[in-house]
Amino acid sequence: DAGVTQTPRHEVAEKGQTIILKCEPVSGHNDLFWYRQTKIQGLELLSYFRSKSLMEDGGAFKDRFKAEMLNSSFSTLKIQPTEPKDSAVYLCASSWGRQNTLYFGAGTRLSVL
Amino acid sequence: AQSVTQPDARVTVSEGASLQLRCKYSYSGTPYLFWYVQYPRQGLQLLLKYYSGDPVVQGVNGFEAEFSKSNSSFHLRKASVHWSDSAVYFCVLSAVEGADRLTFGKGTQLIIQP
Repeated sequence: DAGVTQTPRHEVAEKGQTIILKCEPVSGHNDLFWYRQTKIQGLELLSYFRSKSLMEDGGAFKDRFKAEMLNSSFSTLKIQPTEPKDSAVYLCASSWGRQNTLYFGAGTRLSVL
Repeated sequence: AQSVTQPDARVTVSEGASLQLRCKYSYSGTPYLFWYVQYPRQGLQLLLKYYSGDPVVQGVNGFEAEFSKSNSSFHLRKASVHWSDSAVYFCVLSAVEGADRLTFGKGTQLIIQP
């Protein structure tokens, strides 16, 4: 089975640009999560979907971050406009049922100049 | 409120030596507990999980962890480390079933010396 696929692996953006990160969850999983990972803050939840419905939109990340789940097998995370403090690794993960186990993608490393 | 503390940001161990990575949690009930590992340039992968029962749980690649309610701990152990174990290890807590309420520790970077 294919795992979680994230593209691109690396993204470099100028301050103020719009970037879109993509994620394909494990086939059959109905929960999808976007996390931001930095050394200082660790993993922070940005968004959470259950069966394509947005369940949590990350509070403090709402204004410039927007995640969408266009269908059960594809999600995007848009950051608009980007700021240097957005430089981080963005991880997508999926799960199913009431399992606590998350399956993570390899992440997108974003650098904002 | 719930929290996870991994007191050691970095641990260095010689290859072949034993390992313990510490994890303390704060939660009033009995939590679900996990250890995940992140190898360089990869996402996190599940090593092992504790739901209930035997407090010592076995995971992949010879790892095990022991749950202690009295100490609010879930330490990870391995009898003999290999250079390929170099990675960042995360202790994770959940108060409920489902992956939507996970609390992650900040991680411990494990460095294996030859």
